[in-house]
Amino acid sequence: GAVVSQHPSWVICKSGTSVKIECRSLDFQATTMFWYRQFPKQSLMLMATSNEGSKATYEQGVEKDKFLINHASLTLSTLTVTSAHPEDSSFYICSASVRSSYNEQFFGPGTRLTVL
Amino acid sequence: RKEVEQDPGPFNVPEGATVAFNCTYSNSASQSFFWYRQDCRKEPKLLMSVYSSGNEDGRFTAQLNRASQYISLLIRDSKLSDSATYLCVVRSNYQLIWGAGTKLIIKP
Repeated sequence: GAVVSQHPSWVICKSGTSVKIECRSLDFQATTMFWYRQFPKQSLMLMATSNEGSKATYEQGVEKDKFLINHASLTLSTLTVTSAHPEDSSFYICSASVRSSYNEQFFGPGTRLTVL
Repeated sequence: RKEVEQDPGPFNVPEGATVAFNCTYSNSASQSFFWYRQDCRKEPKLLMSVYSSGNEDGRFTAQLNRASQYISLLIRDSKLSDSATYLCVVRSNYQLIWGAGTKLIIKP
């Protein structure tokens, strides 16, 4: 099946720093990538949808200036958490889809962010 | 009301038992339905899609009732390896809407 990787798998940083998370589709071209956030014992919440070469579409309540998304190629999307604070500590998961959101989403292994 | 609601759990059941998960969704125009499994600190993995006619995959049976906006998952002869959180997922307006999940703990 399709493989999606994320890097790093976990990160600990100080409050106020920025953290970049990479999401790569390893064996297919992903026209659409999704970024989710999951707090403990809660469901996955979609943060934004990004299509290659265009600006990401953010969900209501997600600050686009704080969570910068770049989808520069068909195999790579990045999420940068700018000026991270402890409340940003969460499990960030990306998924990738081929052609359109009608298709199955393939999930990356997730990145656990802890902001001290 | 949440868009996708599941039993809060956790379910603690002995090995070999049959377990049933329930899920309801609020958007009657939802297009597709899925059950995912998520192990602790891991990404969710697709367990099975749910079709209107109901479908079975080994020990797992999924059913959909569009009139009641209800989805179910049945696990028969549960194994220790079935311990995980089971997530009900609904595609609405071309987005995946996730339930909070029900944690299942299988005891030997």
